[in-house]
Amino acid sequence: NAGVTQTPKFQVLKTGQSMTLQCAQDMNHEYMSWYRQDPGMGLRLIHYSVGAGITDQGEVPNGYNVSRSTTEDFPLRLLSAAPSQTSVYFCASSRQQGAYEQYFGPGTRLTVT
Amino acid sequence: GENVEQHPSTLSVQEGDSAVIKCTYSDSASNYFPWYKQELGKRPQLIIDIRSNVGEKKDQRIAVTLNKTAKHFSLHITETQPEDSAVYFCAPGEYGNKLVFGAGTILRVKS
Repeated sequence: NAGVTQTPKFQVLKTGQSMTLQCAQDMNHEYMSWYRQDPGMGLRLIHYSVGAGITDQGEVPNGYNVSRSTTEDFPLRLLSAAPSQTSVYFCASSRQQGAYEQYFGPGTRLTVT
Repeated sequence: GENVEQHPSTLSVQEGDSAVIKCTYSDSASNYFPWYKQELGKRPQLIIDIRSNVGEKKDQRIAVTLNKTAKHFSLHITETQPEDSAVYFCAPGEYGNKLVFGAGTILRVKS
């Protein structure tokens, strides 16, 4: 099992550009989520999904879109990048929502100039 | 929604000493209590968890204790080693609800 994979590992964007962060898992997990982690701060939930075709907003959803067309994939789209979106992004998955171990991807370090 | 607080935010201990980190939560329906460790530049990983029908769980040098009445649970690390230096997060959860992570505790083990 590869677990949770994310691409790219690093990305630099200019203000206003758009991009998609990829996330995939091969554990047949129903629940997937995206977090951002700023320096010295905890993990803040951006969006999450409890299954294919179902997504919902977390604490900090503005400026991001998600979709979940398959169980395996959960891409995160930045619509128009802003310097405030400079952060490390982690994708995570778990068997179901709430009361199960979260498996994290290796992270994507994004810089917006 | 769930309100989660961790204390302390930073903890420095001498190698060989014990460390205790406390997590307080607000939702009395929470029934899953995990602790994650994040080493510098790495992803968070689960190190120990407990469910609400158990008061304590131990795994070698780490343990988690739960006080459901007071709505807090704690991570205990004994005989600390330099490789225990990391950020530790709690994330109390309930089936069907989104997870909220604590803000994290930076543990520094001085040798």
